[in-house]
Amino acid sequence: KAGVTQTPRYLIKTRGQQVTLSCSPISGHRSVSWYQQTPGQGLQFLFEYFSETQRNKGNFPGRFSGRQFSNSRSEMNVSTLELGDSALYLCASSLVGLSTDTQYFGPGTRLTVL
Amino acid sequence: GENVEQHPSTLSVQEGDSAVIKCTYSDSASNYFPWYKQELGKRPQLIIDIRSNVGEKKDQRIAVTLNKTAKHFSLHITETQPEDSAVYFCAAIGGTGNQFYFGTGTSLTVIP
Repeated sequence: KAGVTQTPRYLIKTRGQQVTLSCSPISGHRSVSWYQQTPGQGLQFLFEYFSETQRNKGNFPGRFSGRQFSNSRSEMNVSTLELGDSALYLCASSLVGLSTDTQYFGPGTRLTVL
Repeated sequence: GENVEQHPSTLSVQEGDSAVIKCTYSDSASNYFPWYKQELGKRPQLIIDIRSNVGEKKDQRIAVTLNKTAKHFSLHITETQPEDSAVYFCAAIGGTGNQFYFGTGTSLTVIP
């Protein structure tokens, strides 16, 4: 089976812009979750989607949003970018959920905000 | 919400020695505790996990122990090898809000 894929792999934006990241889960996986990784804050949970519905949400401002399509692919959007949004954004997929089965991570999208 | 603390932040061991990384959590409702290994420039990968109804789990050179009463869990790597060098993250899931809380990571270096 193909692993979790994320596009684009690298992205450079300027403050105030918005960005959309994409995540394609492993075939058959219905849960997709998103994470932000920075040297200062480490790995932080953003949200989880299951069957096109946001099921769990971390402590991030409303500028961070996401959605999931009927084929389980997911997108994450960040509006009004700030310098502090520079990070590696990881998505992970699993069969049914965060605490139910193994999370498989994608390679990440490296976002740089100038 | 949940708070996961991980110690130590860096750990150096000689090849063949054991390494132990410890995590504590605050939400007694957390019920799933995975450990991830992240090599430089790569994605995190699950190496072992444990659920709240189990006290210990072992997979070859890797073991995890869980003490629910004290709310701490530990990763044990025996007979360390240079390829074990990486950053290790613990996590706690299933507590209030069913979020995914990570520890701050431990950078393990195995010296040949």
